[in-house]
Amino acid sequence: QKEVEQNSGPLSVPEGAIASLNCTYSDRGSQSFFWYRQYSGKSPELIMSIYSNGDKEDGRFTAQLNKASQYVSLLIRDSQPSDSATYLCAVKSSGDKLTFGTGTRLAVRP
Amino acid sequence: KAGVTQTPRYLIKTRGQQVTLSCSPISGHRSVSWYQQTPGQGLQFLFEYFSETQRNKGNFPGRFSGRQFSNSRSEMNVSTLELGDSALYLCASSLSPGEGQPQHFGDGTRLSIL
Repeated sequence: QKEVEQNSGPLSVPEGAIASLNCTYSDRGSQSFFWYRQYSGKSPELIMSIYSNGDKEDGRFTAQLNKASQYVSLLIRDSQPSDSATYLCAVKSSGDKLTFGTGTRLAVRP
Repeated sequence: KAGVTQTPRYLIKTRGQQVTLSCSPISGHRSVSWYQQTPGQGLQFLFEYFSETQRNKGNFPGRFSGRQFSNSRSEMNVSTLELGDSALYLCASSLSPGEGQPQHFGDGTRLSIL
């Protein structure tokens, strides 16, 4: 069974700090990696996608991928209270379904 | 561009009944996936459709079924409802099932079983 693991949290950071969210996956054949943000009572919203090793930056968000270590992370710089949400890591292999982790709850303290 | 549209938004049913949920994907998207989300289990994959064909299926009983129409709209059906079927049902669409294609979610249908 292909698995995606995330620490459930909550991860608590002060406003303005860097939040670091981590995810590991079991399938070495995984090719595509996504981060979704889900506010309470809402549906998941795509934040970032990453497909090759290294860093990918988009505004305050940076996704990092290390396929050798089967590890993907999301950094949120200058965290804001509005970033408080559950962050879902999702992994896809060719021809297979998208597999989600259970999510990490982030709380940004004003 | 309109997003993924799911109807109805809320539904209350009783045990033993059946229910049909509808999903209209983003215009131009031909792949539709369905998920069940509960507080204890997170996002559980139900099935994925592309060009009216089921490509992948999750580990759910046969009471859960789905289909996709030629216009890419999709429906899922749950028969003989059980209390444990109470959940948020989410539909997501993508251009194709290719691995590089991100999925975009609708607002979901919240199903409550009494």
